[in-house]
Amino acid sequence: DSGVTQTPKHLITATGQRVTLRCSPRSGDLSVYWYQQSLDQGLQFLIQYYNGEERAKGNILERFSAQQFPDLHSELNLSSLELGDSALYFCASSVGFGRNQPQHFGDGTRLSIL
Amino acid sequence: GIQVEQSPPDLILQEGANSTLRCNFSDSVNNLQWFHQNPWGQLINLFYIPSGTKQNGRLSATTVATERYSLLYISSSQTTDSGVYFCAVEIEAGTALIFGKGTTLSVSS
Repeated sequence: DSGVTQTPKHLITATGQRVTLRCSPRSGDLSVYWYQQSLDQGLQFLIQYYNGEERAKGNILERFSAQQFPDLHSELNLSSLELGDSALYFCASSVGFGRNQPQHFGDGTRLSIL
Repeated sequence: GIQVEQSPPDLILQEGANSTLRCNFSDSVNNLQWFHQNPWGQLINLFYIPSGTKQNGRLSATTVATERYSLLYISSSQTTDSGVYFCAVEIEAGTALIFGKGTTLSVSS
């Protein structure tokens, strides 16, 4: 058990819809990262939050947004969903920016767009 | 940007065999992690290894940062070792991981 909790584990929805993925980081971790794993793109970094503030952006589409709340949990919002958004979405957490500590990954949310 | 290349892309072994997986990276990195993605999709941390050698049971890893590569050794492989092995690098402490495409390992009994 990595200590990172992601919900839901599976999500099935239709094109054009909006979904929210939730992540609770390990106790004491201030940084949260979101990654997308798709068959064609592999594992890609989407966005990072540190202590409530956006820290870095990767290959995140404009239809996607995220936030980190005061209790440090994070949500990834995906809107106007397309078939190509079907993927495994991972959240990871670490102690924080500038600290040499590993990232720990949740079990992921498997999103299927029909 | 930095490139992370893993080899071989696929590996098929009989139970009990040993194997070596390689990860090359194109620029200096702050750190490197090895992961195992099991058939259920979970990403399991194996090693956090910026340099040197670490061992954990039948698995060990060596990173030679000056030559920009890391090796993952699996000895006496078991069917439960099957899955995809990823290496990922971190350019600065506490920043995003950049993943390789992975090595898919299949161990048969």
